[in-house]
Amino acid sequence: GAVVSQHPSWVICKSGTSVKIECRSLDFQATTMFWYRQFPKQSLMLMATSNEGSKATYEQGVEKDKFLINHASLTLSTLTVTSAHPEDSSFYICSASYLGTSGRGGGEQYFGPGTRLTVT
Amino acid sequence: RKEVEQDPGPFNVPEGATVAFNCTYSNSASQSFFWYRQDCRKEPKLLMSVYSSGNEDGRFTAQLNRASQYISLLIRDSKLSDSATYLCVVNEMDSNYQLIWGAGTKLIIKP
Repeated sequence: GAVVSQHPSWVICKSGTSVKIECRSLDFQATTMFWYRQFPKQSLMLMATSNEGSKATYEQGVEKDKFLINHASLTLSTLTVTSAHPEDSSFYICSASYLGTSGRGGGEQYFGPGTRLTVT
Repeated sequence: RKEVEQDPGPFNVPEGATVAFNCTYSNSASQSFFWYRQDCRKEPKLLMSVYSSGNEDGRFTAQLNRASQYISLLIRDSKLSDSATYLCVVNEMDSNYQLIWGAGTKLIIKP
């Protein structure tokens, strides 16, 4: 159980275009979804936290107008990288947690397989 | 100072050896601790949670030292398949289940 999918798994796009990444919880309802970004040889950096039906909470330094997050349902969150530039090339990973894990400190986040974005 | 620090390695270890690495965290109020494993170009996967009393799962043993603010991971009888990056993760309980990630320690098991 607790499977999270991401689509697409990799994408190459031209500078200036927008890319949408989908994150789905397949067998559970995710009350909270997280979007991370990871550059080579660096740690995962949390970009934003989203709860279903409310606006995402962005981490300091993450432009909310550039990285649009929509958490329209308990099983789907999307991240849209608008007007992508080469410096946006990275590994984007989503994770999801559900209410039942909150008592354990929220450590049980279930990760999607990631999306590798390359902007040329 | 980084919130979660790890030696990036790589640790080059012969197959069958025992290897251990530590991770230090800066927030003394941290409540939950985890080790994740990440293979190249893959998402991280939870390896084990770290409890105050320490815990063991097969060849893997995790320890928590609150006084010194570090956690450790010990791998016994290392296998080639253990080659990966091991990420130390801390949850501070005060920010909507946010996890604070270390940069990872790269482990290479050699035949």
